[in-house]
Amino acid sequence: EIVLTQSPDFQSVTPKEKVTITCRASQSIGSSLHWYQQKPDQSPKFLIKYASQSISGVPSRFSGSGSGTDFTLTINSLEAEDAAAYYCHQSSSFPVSFGQGTRLEIK
Amino acid sequence: EVQLLGSGGGLVQPGGSLRLSCAASGFTFSSYAMSWVRQAPGKGLEWVSGISGSGDSTYYADSVKGRFTISRDNSKNTLYLQMNSLRVEDTAVYYCAKALHSGTFYPFDYWGQGTLVTVSS
Repeated sequence: EIVLTQSPDFQSVTPKEKVTITCRASQSIGSSLHWYQQKPDQSPKFLIKYASQSISGVPSRFSGSGSGTDFTLTINSLEAEDAAAYYCHQSSSFPVSFGQGTRLEIK
Repeated sequence: EVQLLGSGGGLVQPGGSLRLSCAASGFTFSSYAMSWVRQAPGKGLEWVSGISGSGDSTYYADSVKGRFTISRDNSKNTLYLQMNSLRVEDTAVYYCAKALHSGTFYPFDYWGQGTLVTVSS
């Protein structure tokens, strides 16, 4: 089973700051890496597909990059509404798996 | 508009059974694989089970294999998860999730609102 490790686990950030969350896979997964945002008491929301492809309706300040084993979610000019947990997800190998999550707190 | 409405959660004793449902609307249900993903209280996401659009192919996480059964009724646009021999560690919010593309299982572009299953004596 492929293990995804996110860092950091938690980050406290100020509005307008740039945030970078990383996701490392235990083996190469090509570009089969996706990102979700989960706000408190809500369902996950699809954020980025296949490492770097944008999703319709998602603000352009969210972007993704990477391939192989190392991936990054970047949030440019953070807004208060971005307070949430962020999860990476690999679909390269069965069983699919998720990272442990990164919680963003807005100061 | 895609909508996924989960139901059927509740409190059950260890060893008991429960059936979850997920009513889908806003897309051609039979064309898309569906999955169940769970989240234990305060924890991360765990994929549980998936089923193809036709219902012919099903897959399970090792943690639930032999105890849970996924199924679907395409005439009713509804996904199910039959959970037997429930354990305390099955306590979680269970989300139904839709595959992004027809013919593939992952990733998930829409998620239901979640239904809470609590296994406790």
